[in-house]
Amino acid sequence: DQQVKQNSPSLSVQEGRISILNCDYTNSMFDYFLWYKKYPAEGPTFLISISSIKDKNEDGRFTVFLNKSAKHLSLHIVPSQPGDSAVYFCAVPSSYNTDKLIFGTGTRLQVFP
Amino acid sequence: DAGITQSPRHKVTETGTPVTLRCHQTENHRYMYWYRQDPGHGLRLIHYSYGVKDTDKGEVSDGYSVSRSKTEDFLLTLESATSSQTSVYFCAISRTGHPDEQFFGPGTRLTVL
Repeated sequence: DQQVKQNSPSLSVQEGRISILNCDYTNSMFDYFLWYKKYPAEGPTFLISISSIKDKNEDGRFTVFLNKSAKHLSLHIVPSQPGDSAVYFCAVPSSYNTDKLIFGTGTRLQVFP
Repeated sequence: DAGITQSPRHKVTETGTPVTLRCHQTENHRYMYWYRQDPGHGLRLIHYSYGVKDTDKGEVSDGYSVSRSKTEDFLLTLESATSSQTSVYFCAISRTGHPDEQFFGPGTRLTVL
């Protein structure tokens, strides 16, 4: 039973436009959320995170939004660039104050010129 | 970039043979992790270590064992490989165990025929 779901396996966006990647979770006890980015033939790299006490966290072109009532988080990339083409995973710690992560299935983003 | 290497990077083996994957770090980080990545599942934690000789199971540990006799090396062993263990394996390290601070290696692609 997937506790963290990314229902869109792929997304294609034109350069300069906004990319929105979505993630749903089932456990309301999750209190910290992360996004990782993965290029082909490389390991994932940490991108941005958000605590459940916030509803938004911004880092440059990347913003993560958290809607606790809907158990939903989203990653916005504005403006999208070709170098953003990668697989994006959302992740949550499996329980409070733990480093053991549960990952979503990933969304492959392609940014075309 | 965090100093993490994985060896081998690619391996093809036959069902029933033992396989050992090595993760080596030069960062002297305390925490180390083994994940596998499969289509439709994202990344799943196999085993992790919170210090030399201190290891514990993740969510998909059946069929795998680990050892950590030195801070810098974390070995993942498939005692008798099965086709279901065909996957890409990632090692990760963390200095503090905080979820934001997991740095991943480049991965090992294992094919079990």
